[in-house]
Amino acid sequence: NAGVTQTPKFQVLKTGQSMTLQCAQDMNHEYMSWYRQDPGMGLRLIHYSVGAGITDQGEVPNGYNVSRSTTEDFPLRLLSAAPSQTSVYFCASSPSPTRNEKLFFGSGTQLSVL
Amino acid sequence: TQLLEQSPQFLSIQEGENLTVYCNSSSVFSSLQWYRQEPGEGPVLLVTVVTGGEVKKLKRLTFQFGDARKDSSLHITAAQPGDTGLYLCALYWENSGGSNYKLTFGKGTLLTVNP
Repeated sequence: NAGVTQTPKFQVLKTGQSMTLQCAQDMNHEYMSWYRQDPGMGLRLIHYSVGAGITDQGEVPNGYNVSRSTTEDFPLRLLSAAPSQTSVYFCASSPSPTRNEKLFFGSGTQLSVL
Repeated sequence: TQLLEQSPQFLSIQEGENLTVYCNSSSVFSSLQWYRQEPGEGPVLLVTVVTGGEVKKLKRLTFQFGDARKDSSLHITAAQPGDTGLYLCALYWENSGGSNYKLTFGKGTLLTVNP
């Protein structure tokens, strides 16, 4: 199993550009989520999904959109990139959205917005 | 809202030394997880503690959940360079609908073990 796969690994954008960060998991996990990691700020939840067709906001959702059309895929869209969105983005999944589940992370996408 | 405080923020030690890092909250939590993140990778779960006073061991790592369930610690015995990484504590909290849980992280302790 590949686990959680994120693409691209690195991306540079100009302010105002849009792009989609891809995330796919092959473990048939119900729950998927996106975090951003900034120095000194830890991991902050952007959006999450508890199943196909169901998404909800996390702590820092502004400027990001998500959709979940299949169990496997959970793309994160930046509508109009801003320098404040420069960060490392992690996608994660778990079998269900219940307490104490183990979260499986991808290896991250490093995004720079100039 | 940041529910978890981790200390110290940075720790640099020599190989063979012992160390303890801490995770604290002003609120009681029902369970807590510890993750380790190596450079360029995503976090990986080390342990979940669910019972007040619980102690779990993972080789040279000892995890403790406080009796009052408001704090947790991670102790590493005879640290090795391979222990280098960011140690994160995390807890699940219930969303407003009451049926699902979200995982929130502390800011982490960055550990460097020098050979």
